[in-house]
Amino acid sequence: SQQGEEDPQALSIQEGENATMNCSYKTSINNLQWYRQNSGRGLVHLILIRSNEREKHSGRLRVTLDTSKKSSSLLITASRAADTASYFCATRANSKLTFGKGITLSVRP
Amino acid sequence: DAGVIQSPRHEVTEMGQEVTLRCKPISGHDYLFWYRQTMMRGLELLIYFNNNVPIDDSGMPEDRFSAKMPNASFSTLKIQPSEPRDSAVYFCASSFPNPNTGELFFGEGSRLTVL
Repeated sequence: SQQGEEDPQALSIQEGENATMNCSYKTSINNLQWYRQNSGRGLVHLILIRSNEREKHSGRLRVTLDTSKKSSSLLITASRAADTASYFCATRANSKLTFGKGITLSVRP
Repeated sequence: DAGVIQSPRHEVTEMGQEVTLRCKPISGHDYLFWYRQTMMRGLELLIYFNNNVPIDDSGMPEDRFSAKMPNASFSTLKIQPSEPRDSAVYFCASSFPNPNTGELFFGEGSRLTVL
């Protein structure tokens, strides 16, 4: 069963704009991770935030975590056409990593 | 390191045939995971191993599916007999010994089509 649910399901923006993607989950977690998947490829890890952290940055990525609301957001700043991909949030509880269905991001040049 | 290696990348077979998917995890990773990805159901965890021992196979759809990890550098996922509804992309992923903190490293997947 899916633990994380991403929102929106699809997002289309212009190059240079910021992209915000949201994820909600249902149960307690150890950490929350965001992954990226290019068409026809495997998933690639982007960033991890632990349950005791509220915000984390990595390059153009900013992720927040609100454990009281069981939600997370991923912000990609100054988007590029190369950011076009599917993005997944994944929640870690014990040893299992459970993925949402993903968000399709299209960045128009 | 070459990353997680999966084979075959593409497999087309007929209903009733046996399918074997293979995975070589990253050296030093003690955890290995098998996921299945479809449009309808997204990414589903099928089974995972720790130190070659299956820990949780609750995601395996039915008895037609089996997975083994005979050593630290090789795992197989077998479907026998295969059915059209098994058509999906199957991913193998591995992680460092502390899976509670670390990320998963995915292979490029095996796309299975059962006719």
